[in-house]
Amino acid sequence: AQSVTQPDIHITVSEGASLELRCNYSYGATPYLFWYVQSPGQGLQLLLKYFSGDTLVQGIKGFEAEFKRSQSSFNLRKPSVHWSDAAEYFCAVGRNTGFQKLVFGTGTRLLVSP
Amino acid sequence: EAEVAQSPRYKITEKSQAVAFWCDPISGHATLYWYRQILGQGPELLVQFQDESVVDDSQLPKDRFSAERLKGVDSTLKIQPAELGDSAMYLCASSLQGLAGTETQYFGPGTRLLVL
Repeated sequence: AQSVTQPDIHITVSEGASLELRCNYSYGATPYLFWYVQSPGQGLQLLLKYFSGDTLVQGIKGFEAEFKRSQSSFNLRKPSVHWSDAAEYFCAVGRNTGFQKLVFGTGTRLLVSP
Repeated sequence: EAEVAQSPRYKITEKSQAVAFWCDPISGHATLYWYRQILGQGPELLVQFQDESVVDDSQLPKDRFSAERLKGVDSTLKIQPAELGDSAMYLCASSLQGLAGTETQYFGPGTRLLVL
């Protein structure tokens, strides 16, 4: 069975500073990995996804993530945070057979200070 | 841009009452998902439909929850009777085929349920 750990419940970053959100996954086979963002009271929006190929994945809104198989990690990064990036971020892992089933982490809430 | 529609956006009910949530997926999407998101946690899959058939309801509390997608388009999730622990955000998502892989799930805005 899949599982995801997001060790940071909250992170505060100054506007303009860089950001890294951590995600560790557990899955017995090659994982499909996703990052979603959720603004308050809203549904989830896909930022980026990874299956194979280049381990550095580019997404929307200037986000990128790097897959590191040896560390079972898929950390999300952004070089310069904007106040509008304040939201909750969820990492998810999907299986590679049968019907898609995503297992989400508990999320990291990003606060952006002026 | 096509979106997943959900209604109502907010629902307050008393325990032991019945509640129902509605979801209209993106047109042409065969797969529809219902998730429950408890405050401070990530979404948890309750039920997954492929067209009108249930393909995964292993996490659905079947003694009180039911879901249907009769014509393979829109869907209704019902809780009867509601309990205090059911207070959560109920999210609907859809995807084109629902096969394992990198297929994107598109989420609706959710229904926030408060049970008093």
